[in-house]
Amino acid sequence: AQKITQTQPGMFVQEKEAVTLDCTYDTSDQSYGLFWYKQPSSGEMIFLIYQGSYDEQNATEGRYSLNFQKARKSANLVISASQLGDSAMYFCAMRERASNYQLIWGAGTKLIIKP
Amino acid sequence: DSGVTQTPKHLITATGQRVTLRCSPRSGDLSVYWYQQSLDQGLQFLIHYYNGEERAKGNILERFSAQQFPDLHSELNLSSLELGDSALYFCASSPRTSGSLRADTQYFGPGTRLTVL
Repeated sequence: AQKITQTQPGMFVQEKEAVTLDCTYDTSDQSYGLFWYKQPSSGEMIFLIYQGSYDEQNATEGRYSLNFQKARKSANLVISASQLGDSAMYFCAMRERASNYQLIWGAGTKLIIKP
Repeated sequence: DSGVTQTPKHLITATGQRVTLRCSPRSGDLSVYWYQQSLDQGLQFLIHYYNGEERAKGNILERFSAQQFPDLHSELNLSSLELGDSALYFCASSPRTSGSLRADTQYFGPGTRLTVL
């Protein structure tokens, strides 16, 4: 079974609109961490945001926020007021004790922002 | 800029050859990870070093080896190269491997794009 599922292979969004990228995960651990990374066409992998399983508040970093729904095991990334520079691949990843805390990656979502 | 450096940025070589990829972690980070990203396999974890010691192995081929030196830089050696080894190779670093492991964020270098002809 997939540990991290990103169901949207690709998305087109109009500039300035908000966008939600889906991520669901599967773990039996109580303590785990969830991460989002951005990979632009230039190739580098950029850390965006982190959410811990015990964190009571949803994580926010500037225009990025994480909609964490623990019971549903979802950790969706929300980008507010999208910009052309947000066009990139976005990866969701998880660390859990069951996997020796190695990062487990989703397949990614390709986001294209239209002007 | 994540603070992780990787050299070279691009590498073109022939099948059967051997190459060495180099990584310098962020200042103060003790953990180094290597990943391979190819179009058909996605992002694959290869190996993890912490303060000079190997901590975990992922899908690393026997033709590949790595080490972390006392100054904490790391090298990934790829030998008997095949066409299928063409990929983007990332190094990432993180501060620690104990304590709040679930929160230990990995910061990635710019990658080395390897092309095997």
